[in-house]
Amino acid sequence: QVHLQESGPGLVKPSETLSLTCTVSGGSISSYQWNWIRQTPGKGLEWIGYVYYSGGTKYNPSLKSRVTMSVDTSKNQFSLKLSSVTAADTAVYYCARDQSGYYHFDSWGQGTLVTVSS
Amino acid sequence: EIVLTQSPGTLSLSPGERATLSCRASQSVSSSHVAWYQQTPGQAPRLLIYGISTRATGIPDRFSGSGSGTDFTLTISRLEPEDFAVYFCQQYGGSLTFGGGTKVEIK
Repeated sequence: QVHLQESGPGLVKPSETLSLTCTVSGGSISSYQWNWIRQTPGKGLEWIGYVYYSGGTKYNPSLKSRVTMSVDTSKNQFSLKLSSVTAADTAVYYCARDQSGYYHFDSWGQGTLVTVSS
Repeated sequence: EIVLTQSPGTLSLSPGERATLSCRASQSVSSSHVAWYQQTPGQAPRLLIYGISTRATGIPDRFSGSGSGTDFTLTISRLEPEDFAVYFCQQYGGSLTFGGGTKVEIK
């Protein structure tokens, strides 16, 4: 049973870069698409994008200019960087696996709250 | 971007009753790329249904999905106490979007 765990700062200042890592255990990261999704009370669930185990990426067009995702297969981890954050980026951030390649998410991390505030 | 509108916003039902949740898309969606999730408070969403009607691993058969084009339905045939939660639909059609959710609450 694969397990995903997000880690990173819970507080980020406006205009800075949000950085999160997802550690995958119980399975190899060297397959599948690895995704980041966020959730706010106001906007609901928002897909941020995915990184493929080989390093290929696809991002939500609305966030594309600020997002960078990467994968480290040696550590079984993948990462998210979101630049120039504002209060609107305050959310619970989830990492999730797409095992099928058909853009649905069969395994999720527990989520981590990131607050953007000075 | 395809917008998904879920209705009703809240469904008040009793255990044992049937729940019918609707998800309407602003444009036609590929059947391969429609999914449903369940979320309970403080938890991550859990995949229930993908490809419109295929149950994910471990999902009981009281959950079923149907629909095509722009209209999709999640049906829970007989509500169990653990089914009272929020349900989201999701699609991928060039970009990926989620519906706003339907809360199924105990009447």
